[in-house]
Amino acid sequence: EPEVTQTPSHQVTQMGQEVILRCVPISNHLYFYWYRQILGQKVEFLVSFYNNEISEKSEIFDDQFSVERPDGSNFTLKIRSTKLEDSAMYFCASRTTFGGYEQYFGPGTRLTVT
Amino acid sequence: KQEVTQIPAALSVPEGENLVLNCSFTDSAIYNLQWFRQDPGKGLTSLLLIQSSQREQTSGRLNASLDKSSGRSTLYIAASQPGDSATYLCAVRPLAAGNKLTFGGGTRVLVKP
Repeated sequence: EPEVTQTPSHQVTQMGQEVILRCVPISNHLYFYWYRQILGQKVEFLVSFYNNEISEKSEIFDDQFSVERPDGSNFTLKIRSTKLEDSAMYFCASRTTFGGYEQYFGPGTRLTVT
Repeated sequence: KQEVTQIPAALSVPEGENLVLNCSFTDSAIYNLQWFRQDPGKGLTSLLLIQSSQREQTSGRLNASLDKSSGRSTLYIAASQPGDSATYLCAVRPLAAGNKLTFGGGTRVLVKP
């Protein structure tokens, strides 16, 4: 069964460093998302992406964040200058443009900022 | 602003008992509602998606009901097994333009053998 994959599974970085989280969505999906979950808190929406542009973003998704689809298969989230409060599990999700619009999530990348 | 609440936050039942998990949302203008399972430190596995026009959706031992007007959904898991131990999350998608899911805080379930 097709699935969303994410790399790396765990990333440790120092405050102020740039990180890039990678996702490979399901191949025939055209909508892509990033969510995050700070330990012990709710899963929060960050951004949605369709047709090579951001379709919606939350207040969390400020100028420190950016997304890109550099090729036909990858979808990336970049954090330019990480802060301690960026430590969280980051989930990528994707869905088709038809049907019930069910979102399929990847296994997540645990980002630890020290 | 949509708020999604799941009560209780944690639940412990003996094996074989039926599980009833609750989800409530404040804005009834939803497109659909999705139930997920999350194992510790892992990703989200979609269990059921129920459209706003549906009253219920079933998959195996799982049954989800939706009462949009009262802002509630219930996930029933029949004849629980220790392997059902996990955190169960519900999330709603708004009817208005936009794709994001708004999540509840989850119910952590422990099924004791």
